[in-house]
Amino acid sequence: ETGVTQTPRHLVMGMTNKKSLKCEQHLGHNAMYWYKQSAKKPLELMFVYSLEERVENNSVPSRFSPECPNSSHLFLHLHTLQPEDSALYLCASSQDRQGAADTQYFGPGTRLTVL
Amino acid sequence: ILNVEQSPQSLHVQEGDSTNFTCSFPSSNFYALHWYRWETAKSPEALFVMTLNGDEKKKGRISATLNTKEGYSYLYIKGSQPEDSATYLCAPYSGNTPLVFGKGTRLSVIA
Repeated sequence: ETGVTQTPRHLVMGMTNKKSLKCEQHLGHNAMYWYKQSAKKPLELMFVYSLEERVENNSVPSRFSPECPNSSHLFLHLHTLQPEDSALYLCASSQDRQGAADTQYFGPGTRLTVL
Repeated sequence: ILNVEQSPQSLHVQEGDSTNFTCSFPSSNFYALHWYRWETAKSPEALFVMTLNGDEKKKGRISATLNTKEGYSYLYIKGSQPEDSATYLCAPYSGNTPLVFGKGTRLSVIA
């Protein structure tokens, strides 16, 4: 148990659906992240939030829309996804985005399948 | 974008064997290197954060060394156990970008 929870753990959706992934951290951290893990690829950073402000958007298509209402919660809103968006989506948090030595604590991930 | 290479991609060892694998990264603008262990169906778990050239960190049977001048880090596992089976990820931090993860080394320890 890392102190970072994600729901749902598994999600199957059609290309016309709208769904949201939720992440919650109970560690009192200031930074939160969304990562994507596709088959045979390294973890890819999607978004970074620091103190509820988006500070990094790693050229992610607009069909992925993040939201950080407070420092403990992070959402990833999904709409009109493509089958190639099927992947494991991981959330992480760290004490401070700027800290080089800050360990990131990961949630268990949401396994997304787009039909 | 940092180019991070991990080798080998996968490794099978017998229980009790010692093993090591490599993470290579650009040596310029180096700030820190992170190692994570990712077991199947679990979350990636932090092992070490290393910042100084020549640094060596240890956690039980796992240790890591760092050479920032030549841009590599080794992870060693002494007396591998089945519970060490996981993917080991390294992630250098350059100070002006977030962590960039390598593809990992997939270790399987056979009992």
